Amino acid sequence: AQSVTQLDSQVPVFEEAPVELRCNYSSSVSVYLFWYVQYPNQGLQLLLKYLSGSTLVKGINGFEAEFNKSQTSFHLRKPSVHISDTAEYFCAVSAGGADGLTFGKGTHLIIQP
Amino acid sequence: GAVVSQHPSWVICKSGTSVKIECRSLDFQATTMFWYRQFPKQSLMLMATSNEGSKATYEQGVEKDKFLINHASLTLSTLTVTSAHPEDSSFYICSARRPRSSYEQYFGPGTRLTVT
Repeated sequence: AQSVTQLDSQVPVFEEAPVELRCNYSSSVSVYLFWYVQYPNQGLQLLLKYLSGSTLVKGINGFEAEFNKSQTSFHLRKPSVHISDTAEYFCAVSAGGADGLTFGKGTHLIIQP
Repeated sequence: GAVVSQHPSWVICKSGTSVKIECRSLDFQATTMFWYRQFPKQSLMLMATSNEGSKATYEQGVEKDKFLINHASLTLSTLTVTSAHPEDSSFYICSARRPRSSYEQYFGPGTRLTVT
């Protein structure tokens, strides 16, 4: 079984400032890692994923994440945020391609002008 | 892109009645669909995995007789909440996976169920 911890339920950031959303996971097997974003009244949209290879993964909208196996972390970063980045962000893991996802509780990113 | 729709987006039903939620992949065929449940301020919890033409696989603790899942075609899966009770009120979200995709799931917008 896997579990995902997103320590911050809410992160306020000023516009154009950098942001990091933290995600830690636990698993007894190798996992695939994902970050999803949910805008108000919309479905979840994939930001990026780590399957294998380079530990630094680049996604859409200028986001990137780094897989750290020793720290079992997959933190999401963006160097400069915009008002449009205001949304709920979910970290998720899967033990296999055919498996469902185990989600963290989500982090609400609030961009302040 | 890959679009997944859900219908209805919002439903209110009386305690003891059943309600059906549809999940459709609009522009691709989905061999596997997943159903999740989300409580307010909480994460999504996987309920079941649905493969076309076969019985759904339910997660531990999910009552399969209460949450009936049917995946009759490559573009449609349904979740029926039978004999609904107020504690079944929640946000239900489906996702669909393309065959041979890179593990990505495409999510529907969700269905808000309120049982009175």
